Parts: sequence; C-alpha cells; structure tokens
Amino acid sequence: KNEVEQSPQNLTAQEGEFITINCSYSVGISALHWLQQHPGGGIVSLFMLSSGKKKHGRLIATINIQEKHSSLHITASHPRDSAVYICAVDLEYGNKLVFGAGTILRVKS
Amino acid sequence: EPEVTQTPSHQVTQMGQEVILRCVPISNHLYFYWYRQILGQKVEFLVSFYNNEISEKSEIFDDQFSVERPDGSNFTLKIRSTKLEDSAMYFCASGAGRVAEAFFGQGTRLTVV
Repeated sequence: KNEVEQSPQNLTAQEGEFITINCSYSVGISALHWLQQHPGGGIVSLFMLSSGKKKHGRLIATINIQEKHSSLHITASHPRDSAVYICAVDLEYGNKLVFGAGTILRVKS
Repeated sequence: EPEVTQTPSHQVTQMGQEVILRCVPISNHLYFYWYRQILGQKVEFLVSFYNNEISEKSEIFDDQFSVERPDGSNFTLKIRSTKLEDSAMYFCASGAGRVAEAFFGQGTRLTVV
C-alpha cells in the first residue's frame, strides 16, 4: 500500500484555469512538502506545511492534518506551470521523505 | 541563492564498475540525503546522513552502496559494483534540520550498460 497517494496522475488545463492537485497520506507525519520537477529532472521545493495554508504568488497549499489530506492550487495557470508536481511527507518517526508518484500537469495556451 | 550542486550531471558506466556521485550541500545544512528515481517511477529514499553517520537507510541501500562526507563540504555516494538496475537519476538533498525545507541538487543521471 502506498503511503502517499496523489490525484490526478495526469492533468491537462487551458491557460488561465484554476488547478487543484490532491495528496492523501496514511502515516503520521511531521510535515508535508510540495515539490516541482521540470522535464530536465531537477526538483524544486514549493512549500513545506505542517498545518493550515501557505501562499506564494499564484500557488496555494493547504493541509488538513485530521483528514490526512493536502491540496496544491494554482490560480490563473500558465504554460510555464507545466511540470510534475510531487507530494512528499516527512515521517513522524524517521529522517527521510516519502514521495507520491507525482501529478503530470500540462497547461495549454 | 544557495544551492546544492551535484557532479557529474550524467555518467555512463560499464556493469560491475564502481562509480562515485558527488554532491556539495548548502554550507550551513546539517542533514544530507540521497534519493533515486528510476525512469518513469517515483522518487525513492536511499540514505540519510547526520553528524557524520548514517541516520537511516532503505532496503535499497545494501552493501554495494556507501556514503561519505570526506572533507566537511562534499557528500558522496559510492556504488561499488554497478548493476543494470542501478540506472536512475540520483538526487542529493540537504536540510537545515530534521524537519526542514529540502533543497535538492539537479541530479546525476547514471546509465549502466
């Protein structure tokens, strides 16, 4: 059983659309990370959350600890947002990240 | 902005050969990690390193793997006798604390032929 599940696996949107990517986890965590991976392969940290909501530009991340669920929202999407978005969790006991499979986002102009 | 640097960006090696992947973490970070991503699969944890010793390792990190922080700045991953299934993108990451924002290098693409 996967400890971190993301949905959808693939998402195609038109430029300007509001996008939501979901992440559910089944383990105790210290924090949840949203990461972005571009076609070249590099991974960039977008957010680290342990409660509530964070906003950076057009990106918003929320987490519900009781529900073990997090969402990443992109407002006014743009083709440059096209990438793989990955949810990863810091386990409550441990020193590592456990990754979801990623959501492949394509934004068309 | 500080960044994690990995070298080489791409390495091709013969099966059975030893490879060393190199990483320079962010200078004031204390926690160091290696992850790998086989093509088309999710990122997997290999090993974490703190206070000059391994703090956690995965089942993947068997006797053919080792890590070292030889000089206080570099952090290396050695694969002693590479197998075809070791072909993957290997990412180094560092963090200021055990639970902290993770900074990843650009990765080393290892191809074993």
